[in-house]
Amino acid sequence: GIQVEQSPPDLILQEGANSTLRCNFSDSVNNLQWFHQNPWGQLINLFYIPSGTKQNGRLSATTVATERYSLLYISSSQTTDSGVYFCAVPGDSNYQLIWGAGTKLIIKP
Amino acid sequence: DVKVTQSSRYLVKRTGEKVFLECVQDMDHENMFWYRQDPGLGLRLIYFSYDVKMKEKGDIPEGYSVSREKKERFSLILESASTNQTSMYLCASSLGTGARGQFFGPGTRLTVL
Repeated sequence: GIQVEQSPPDLILQEGANSTLRCNFSDSVNNLQWFHQNPWGQLINLFYIPSGTKQNGRLSATTVATERYSLLYISSSQTTDSGVYFCAVPGDSNYQLIWGAGTKLIIKP
Repeated sequence: DVKVTQSSRYLVKRTGEKVFLECVQDMDHENMFWYRQDPGLGLRLIYFSYDVKMKEKGDIPEGYSVSREKKERFSLILESASTNQTSMYLCASSLGTGARGQFFGPGTRLTVL
């Protein structure tokens, strides 16, 4: 089945810094999602981005489907950006998601 | 905004008890999902449902069952809780076919003693 790899596994930054998180996938996909899990466990859907670029405030995401990767950019990081960022793609069943292991981001004040 | 709610934020049960975890979504989504999340193992799908009274096994269904009697409610049942079911349980819902745009509840942290 499809494999999803995220990098880096951990990232520690000072407030105000920019960051780039990467998601590689082993086979072609027709959609990709980015999620943020805050320190209290709540998972928030950030982007549904099968291809191209989307922006939402300080966050943006780009998926290059032909090269099988997606990038999540966070600009001017804030402490509230801390948490774990996951990417996920559809599995063999149309209803299932294959999840990456996540990137744990810590933003220090 | 989609709202997905779970019946408990924290739950402590004893080995052998029957445990019900309830999930309700308010956006008329067809699909609902139950995951468990454990350190180092990520999110693993237990069961999902694409319609009322319909259910499909996920990756780790053993020791669990589910019920979907109404479109908005999806229940996860641990028939006889065991300590290895101590975990964070996350419910999600999505619209239409496919795994597009899943929205998650706040999670239930279950401890089985």
